[in-house]
Amino acid sequence: RKEVEQDPGPFNVPEGATVAFNCTYSNSASQSFFWYRQDCRKEPKLLMSVYSSGNEDGRFTAQLNRASQYISLLIRDSKLSDSATYLCVAHTGGFKTIFGAGTRLFVKA
Amino acid sequence: DVKVTQSSRYLVKRTGEKVFLECVQDMDHENMFWYRQDPGLGLRLIYFSYDVKMKEKGDIPEGYSVSREKKERFSLILESASTNQTSMYLCASKRIIGGGPEQYFGPGTRLTVT
Repeated sequence: RKEVEQDPGPFNVPEGATVAFNCTYSNSASQSFFWYRQDCRKEPKLLMSVYSSGNEDGRFTAQLNRASQYISLLIRDSKLSDSATYLCVAHTGGFKTIFGAGTRLFVKA
Repeated sequence: DVKVTQSSRYLVKRTGEKVFLECVQDMDHENMFWYRQDPGLGLRLIYFSYDVKMKEKGDIPEGYSVSREKKERFSLILESASTNQTSMYLCASKRIIGGGPEQYFGPGTRLTVT
């Protein structure tokens, strides 16, 4: 079983749609969580950190459920430029950072 | 802005060749990492370094070695390249901030071993 699991997709949505990605992690010792975005043939870049209380950055909302070991990312009012792969990341402390395999999103006009 | 650079974007090597991948960061970060990324597998940690001349094995170190002689530079070495080492190689640099250890990635080197 992978330590961080994501639905690989792809998710195909029209512009303006709301889309949600889910991620589960297996190590209950994981301390901090992130969502990274990776464009085709580019490097991953930090999108946002995920806090226990949930956090929002514009059209993006991230939530963490420690009891269920579950992380989510919600994108509202999808734009064409949101098309990318979204990586869920769990950090266990020290140098232990686990990346999910990513969920691909295609936003179409 | 943090900048992490890698010596090559694309590289083609033959089986058995020794391959050097270079990574440089300009933010004085102590921690540097080498990952490989393959479809469906995500990023897998090969080696990391938390200080000059210090290195630790990651999850898949077999067939690789690293060198960190200067703080800003972290090199990945494929001692004898094999076709199963064809992959995207990503270097990352890390700082510790209040919210957690964000990583900054270089643009990647797509290595093909024939």
